[in-house]
Amino acid sequence: QSVLTQPPSVSGAPGQRVTISCTGSSSNIGAGYDVHWYQQLPGTAPKLLIFASNSRPSGVPDRFSGSKSGTSASLAITGLQAEDEADYYCQSYDISLNGVLFGGGTKVTVL
Amino acid sequence: QVHLVESGGGLVKPGGSLRLSCAASGFTFSDYYLTWIRQAPGKGLEWLSYISSTGETKYYADSVKGRFTVSRDNAKNSLYVQMNSLRAEDTAVYYCARLSFGELWSWFDSWGQGTLVTVSS
Repeated sequence: QSVLTQPPSVSGAPGQRVTISCTGSSSNIGAGYDVHWYQQLPGTAPKLLIFASNSRPSGVPDRFSGSKSGTSASLAITGLQAEDEADYYCQSYDISLNGVLFGGGTKVTVL
Repeated sequence: QVHLVESGGGLVKPGGSLRLSCAASGFTFSDYYLTWIRQAPGKGLEWLSYISSTGETKYYADSVKGRFTVSRDNAKNSLYVQMNSLRAEDTAVYYCARLSFGELWSWFDSWGQGTLVTVSS
């Protein structure tokens, strides 16, 4: 069972805004560790989408943004497009486990 | 351009062993920490292990500690994981990934395409 909790699925119409939450605890996000987000398109390897909670790697559209507050983080996708249909994973570090955690993943469906 | 290519996956019987490799190119291999991450069919991502740039420091998830051993050969730009006492629940696609910098709280900035390991009799 993942210690980082994400909703299994979210959906939205093209052009809409959707958000994905990632809820942790005082031993990971709440301890101040950054949250990173990955996009996994069907049949492909994950790709870094957001790092250090709110930074985008080169080439990632500014439609994607991240935020963090307390023991939670969020990924927002504005102007939803068909090619955004994918699984999205949050990741952080847990001091009590001394290891890396991934959220369970959220499937984004464009209606 | 960073390139990571895993190999060595396949079908293995429960209790068996397998060694996966990850060949790297496009960056100074010996400068980076590396990890193994897996994804069971239809499931999420699971971090497995981490090895420092020199190979001196290694961390493992509890699920594989004592069964998996990570290593690297900086002269060959290659990362390895020796997997022993394999179980059905080890069936997954195994990815190697590069840490952006040498701390476990950093991010994985490059991933390989993965190699499938199937544990079944």
